[in-house]
Amino acid sequence: GQQLNQSPQSMFIQEGEDVSMNCTSSSIFNTWLWYKQEPGEGPVLLIALYKAGELTSNGRLTAQFGITRKDSFLNISASIPSDVGIYFCAGQTNSGYALNFGKGTSLLVTP
Amino acid sequence: GAVVSQHPSRVICKSGTSVKIECRSLDFQATTMFWYRQFPKQSLMLMATSNEGSKATYEQGVEKDKFLINHASLTLSTLTVTSAHPEDSSFYICSARKLGGSNPYEQYFGPGTRLTVT
Repeated sequence: GQQLNQSPQSMFIQEGEDVSMNCTSSSIFNTWLWYKQEPGEGPVLLIALYKAGELTSNGRLTAQFGITRKDSFLNISASIPSDVGIYFCAGQTNSGYALNFGKGTSLLVTP
Repeated sequence: GAVVSQHPSRVICKSGTSVKIECRSLDFQATTMFWYRQFPKQSLMLMATSNEGSKATYEQGVEKDKFLINHASLTLSTLTVTSAHPEDSSFYICSARKLGGSNPYEQYFGPGTRLTVT
């Protein structure tokens, strides 16, 4: 599968700040998913997006499925120390349901 | 819920031996399970897609005779790393797609298995 372009690669912020990260692809996807992974664990699904233009929230997290279907962003508002981890975007076509992952955004939050 | 478990969580083996990793969906049936590999500070790379009762589909560059996948039931898939070598040391993660789920595109990941080959 193809790899997505995810940026930024890492972020070092203070507690309370807002965070924004995004993913782009050269191909169209039918689904965008955002996962969080903590050290030594598997990814945990945060938000799933199913149609172009869709904006979905999960608590302090908000994600959007780009109109072109080639991009997505994730925002975290009022960050807290437990937001620390690596955030991955993943795009999916219908065929086979396999996920194509971004390279991840490593988030560090200082109290 | 949608809980996926993996066993073992960590394994150390000697070069040349084989290691089996289990992936179980605990509270749902999974039509499809996926196996990923993740190197330190890198992203997840899909190795193979496994459908219950049929042969796995491997991604380009993944040796099917080295990474044997068996998906014997709707709740269990196994990955066997045969004749392991140090370069096979990695974090192996499975995911499962829920049968009859409202969102067929969502995959639920296991906690991963850290394999170290000495």
